[in-house]
Amino acid sequence: ELHLEESGGGLVQPGGSLRLSCTASDFSVKHYAMHWVRQSPDKGLEWVSGISWSGAKKDYADFVKGRFIISRDNAAKSLFLQMSSLRQEDTALYYCVKDTDPGSVSFYYMDVWGKGTMVTVSS
Amino acid sequence: DIQMTQSPSTLSASVGDRVTITCRASHNISTWLAWYQQKQGQAPKLLIYKTSILEREVSSRFSGSGFGTEFTLTINSLQPDDFATYFCQQYESYVTFGQGTKLDIK
Repeated sequence: ELHLEESGGGLVQPGGSLRLSCTASDFSVKHYAMHWVRQSPDKGLEWVSGISWSGAKKDYADFVKGRFIISRDNAAKSLFLQMSSLRQEDTALYYCVKDTDPGSVSFYYMDVWGKGTMVTVSS
Repeated sequence: DIQMTQSPSTLSASVGDRVTITCRASHNISTWLAWYQQKQGQAPKLLIYKTSILEREVSSRFSGSGFGTEFTLTINSLQPDDFATYFCQQYESYVTFGQGTKLDIK
């Protein structure tokens, strides 16, 4: 059974940067798109960004465009999210999530979720 | 952007009840809709995809229906383990989640 484990969260000041990482337990993830989804009490679940299996296609929610960069390293079974110009409203639990359609460049539904890493943006 | 609106936000029911949660899309999403269950302190769990297809090992007490802009999740014969928060998600264009429906014990 595939497991995903996020790391890199923490407390950061507004305007600061943080890099989230996600490591998968096996190489099956290399065939699938991957996502970052965040959750906060006031905004619920929000899709943040997704990347195709090859890394060729990357998409972002409007509220992070120009500030966050998603990337992946299939050889290392890893997904990343470089976050900069952080705002208080970026405070949330960030989940690494696996998509379900192998080899597709489109995004679908999600079947494997990590436990999340908490990002707190505060002065 | 496609917006997803769930109703109700909170639903109180008893063990054995049948409940229905509605999800409305701001644009036609055909049948590109999934449902998730989230228990306190846990990550969401996939229940249903493509509107009505049950994920493996999900109880047949769960069912989904709909097309276009209106969708429902129905849970028959509620069990204690079903009290949780439920989210819909569209994947017709990018990804958007509904705001969630909390199902609690009456």
